[in-house]
Amino acid sequence: DVKVTQSSRYLVKRTGEKVFLECVQDMDHENMFWYRQDPGLGLRLIYFSYDVKMKEKGDIPEGYSVSREKKERFSLILESASTNQTSMYLCASSSRDEDTDTQYFGPGTRLTVL
Amino acid sequence: ILNVEQSPQSLHVQEGDSTNFTCSFPSSNFYALHWYRWETAKSPEALFVMTLNGDEKKKGRISATLNTKEGYSYLYIKGSQPEDSATYLCAFTYNQGGKLIFGQGTELSVKP
Repeated sequence: DVKVTQSSRYLVKRTGEKVFLECVQDMDHENMFWYRQDPGLGLRLIYFSYDVKMKEKGDIPEGYSVSREKKERFSLILESASTNQTSMYLCASSSRDEDTDTQYFGPGTRLTVL
Repeated sequence: ILNVEQSPQSLHVQEGDSTNFTCSFPSSNFYALHWYRWETAKSPEALFVMTLNGDEKKKGRISATLNTKEGYSYLYIKGSQPEDSATYLCAFTYNQGGKLIFGQGTELSVKP
């Protein structure tokens, strides 16, 4: 079974703090993704990575950065957290060899920025 | 801009009712359509992926159909049970290795 884990289920931070969200997958997947989910808006792609050290902007990258130093780990960084970044953050991974591009998700981190 | 629309946004049914929801996507440049189920406090779980016009997939009481020419997919649940309560997400891709473009989801609540 594919397992995608995220470092925290719930996180509360203050405005201006630097926030790290960690994601680890154990299936040797090449592709990893970060989404945020807000009510009525569905999952929106923040950043993704097709390989170690590679990163691509998704649809809403502003205010975020990412790091992929190892294949199994993909970190999302909020350089200076703001209240509008309060959201549910989901990490996902997929295999380059799977032609259907099915993504496997972690359980999510609910971040509250005060 | 590629948009994926799901309807309804939420649905409340009684145990035993059958239900269905719709996912609409751009009919041009289609590659695949995914359905996911996301239960509270759990990870979204892949239900189906469909690639061919006319595809039908079934898993237990849940089935899905695909019409790529008109750009829609239906998800059916026969005899809903409380454990079917979840948000159902559809996602569209227009090329292999491309991004998944998600709809906003349909939140299903099944009352015993």
